[in-house]
Amino acid sequence: QVQLVESGGGVVQPGRSLRLSCAASAFTFSSYGMHWVRQAPGKGLEWVAVISYNGNDQKYADSVKGRFTISRDNSKNTLYLQMNSLRAEDTAVYYCAKDADIAAAAYYFDDWGQGTLVTVSS
Amino acid sequence: EVVMTQSPATLSVSPGERATLSCRASQSVRSNLAWYQQKPGQAPRLLIYGASTRATDFPPRFSGSGSGTEFTLTISSLQSEDFAFYYCQQYNNWPQVTFGGGTKVEIK
Repeated sequence: QVQLVESGGGVVQPGRSLRLSCAASAFTFSSYGMHWVRQAPGKGLEWVAVISYNGNDQKYADSVKGRFTISRDNSKNTLYLQMNSLRAEDTAVYYCAKDADIAAAAYYFDDWGQGTLVTVSS
Repeated sequence: EVVMTQSPATLSVSPGERATLSCRASQSVRSNLAWYQQKPGQAPRLLIYGASTRATDFPPRFSGSGSGTEFTLTISSLQSEDFAFYYCQQYNNWPQVTFGGGTKVEIK
């Protein structure tokens, strides 16, 4: 059974940085695009970023472009999200999610981690 | 950006009754639409993709329909485990995929 386990969340001051990790297991991690999706407290879902299966291509939501960087280490089966210049509006549970299609990203998500909470507050 | 609008925001249904949830896109997304179920404190789970293909984890009482801008998720006979939030998501206009605001299905 696919397992995705996020870590790295916490409380951080506005303007500071944080790096999230997502450890993947029970599937061929290097064959799938991977995404980050976030959910502000009591709110809906917002797609954040995607990285291709081989790490060569990344795309971002306009709300995080230039501040967040998605990356992956296929030798460690791990996905990352480097978050810089954090704002109060970045406060959310951050989920890593596996793309439903092998190799070519389909942009919908068939497996999700349990999420990690990021709180941006002074 | 494609705006996804779900209605109603809250649906109160008795166990055993039928539930019909709507999702509307601000422009055509063809059949590139997914539905997710999310229970409090849990991650979302993929329920429907391609507007009408049910994920293997879910029973046949769940069905999806529609194309273009109008979509429907139907739960034919609500069970206690079906009370949850449901979100639609378009993935036609990638990478800027967007979700609806959600529908809460609660016990009447």
